[in-house]
Amino acid sequence: EAGVTQFPSHSVIEKGQTVTLRCDPISGHDNLYWYRRVMGKEIKFLLHFVKESKQDESGMPNNRFLAERTGGTYSTLKVQPAELEDSGVYFCASSQADSPYNEQFFGPGTRLTVL
Amino acid sequence: QKEVEQNSGPLSVPEGAIASLNCTYSDRGSQSFFWYRQYSGKSPELIMFIYSNGDKEDGRFTAQLNKASQYVSLLIRDSQPSDSATYLCAVNGATNKLIFGTGTLLAVQP
Repeated sequence: EAGVTQFPSHSVIEKGQTVTLRCDPISGHDNLYWYRRVMGKEIKFLLHFVKESKQDESGMPNNRFLAERTGGTYSTLKVQPAELEDSGVYFCASSQADSPYNEQFFGPGTRLTVL
Repeated sequence: QKEVEQNSGPLSVPEGAIASLNCTYSDRGSQSFFWYRQYSGKSPELIMFIYSNGDKEDGRFTAQLNKASQYVSLLIRDSQPSDSATYLCAVNGATNKLIFGTGTLLAVQP
């Protein structure tokens, strides 16, 4: 079974540019999560999809971040325009809808550097 | 106070010893507790989860939970150099989001 995949693995952009990150969850996982780790800090929750619906987006930093999950399969996270403080590693995780303890499986992350 | 606290380490143990990793959390309503292992530059890998008070064993790993003390730990028996990694404690918060500690760096010395 393929794990969670993310693309790209690295992205270096200049302040003010736009970047789109992609996540493909484990097949059949209805729950999809985005997390972010900035330098020296803990991994922090951004938002949670159940299929194509946003269940919780309380962790999204501001309206420069837009997440979508059209069709309930893969998800994209767009940052527009990017700022220096957006640099960090963006992780995607997925879990089964019927898992009682909601074990989440993580992708390798996208390392975003904003110059 | 952070929601999930871990000692950042590094925790250095000799090969073959028991490594003890600790974590405290602030939300008494937390239901599930997870340990992830993360090698440098890699994804967090789920190695254990626990939801009931007491111990849960899986191979060389034992997770321990004490909800009264809001404390969860991970014991690694017969530590190997390949166990050297950052161990992340995570707690299941409201709406199923995970709340992470900063992680403990474990170094197993051959």
